[in-house]
Amino acid sequence: QKEVEQDPGPLSVPEGAIVSLNCTYSNSAFQYFMWYRQYSRKGPELLMYTYSSGNKEDGRFTAQVDKSSKYISLFIRDSQPSDSATYLCAAERGNTPLVFGKGTRLSVIA
Amino acid sequence: GAVVSQHPSWVICKSGTSVKIECRSLDFQATTMFWYRQFPKQSLMLMATSNEGSKATYEQGVEKDKFLINHASLTLSTLTVTSAHPEDSSFYICSARDGGRSSYNEQFFGPGTRLTVL
Repeated sequence: QKEVEQDPGPLSVPEGAIVSLNCTYSNSAFQYFMWYRQYSRKGPELLMYTYSSGNKEDGRFTAQVDKSSKYISLFIRDSQPSDSATYLCAAERGNTPLVFGKGTRLSVIA
Repeated sequence: GAVVSQHPSWVICKSGTSVKIECRSLDFQATTMFWYRQFPKQSLMLMATSNEGSKATYEQGVEKDKFLINHASLTLSTLTVTSAHPEDSSFYICSARDGGRSSYNEQFFGPGTRLTVL
């Protein structure tokens, strides 16, 4: 079992839809949980990170961590075509290498 | 935000030759740099962790004699793919950790280098 599991999709939604992206993890020692966005042939860019359980909101993006069920989510409201990218969840224990999920390819159709 | 650059952005080489990829942190000092490899439609696979002034720590299955990593300064790490073969063709991405910014040491990723070995 991989430490971080993520459905690779692809996921296709109409513009304006709410997008829900999810990951699960198995290592209870993970403390930091991240969501990265990666456009084709580019390096990943950090969208949000969360420490421990809870919600964090930044504009149209909300990250959610439930440590009791080892579940990580990213919600995108009012999705735009420019949100079309691969979204990678990641986790780490703190000052350790990131462990990435496979990434979910998202297409937002105008 | 912090900027990490990579050079070259793409390279094509003949089988058997060596290729060097540079990773630079432009506006911060990176005590730790990471090298990843990404195949098409796959996630990032960590190859090695590099600390300034010390030997890199390689992940299981990564040949240290084939993928030479040098982290000679706080702003520069290099990855040399020695005797490259077509199966080494991939997207190589580095990241750098800024240890001085906050309690959470964010990793900043470079734009990647696409290597094609003919």
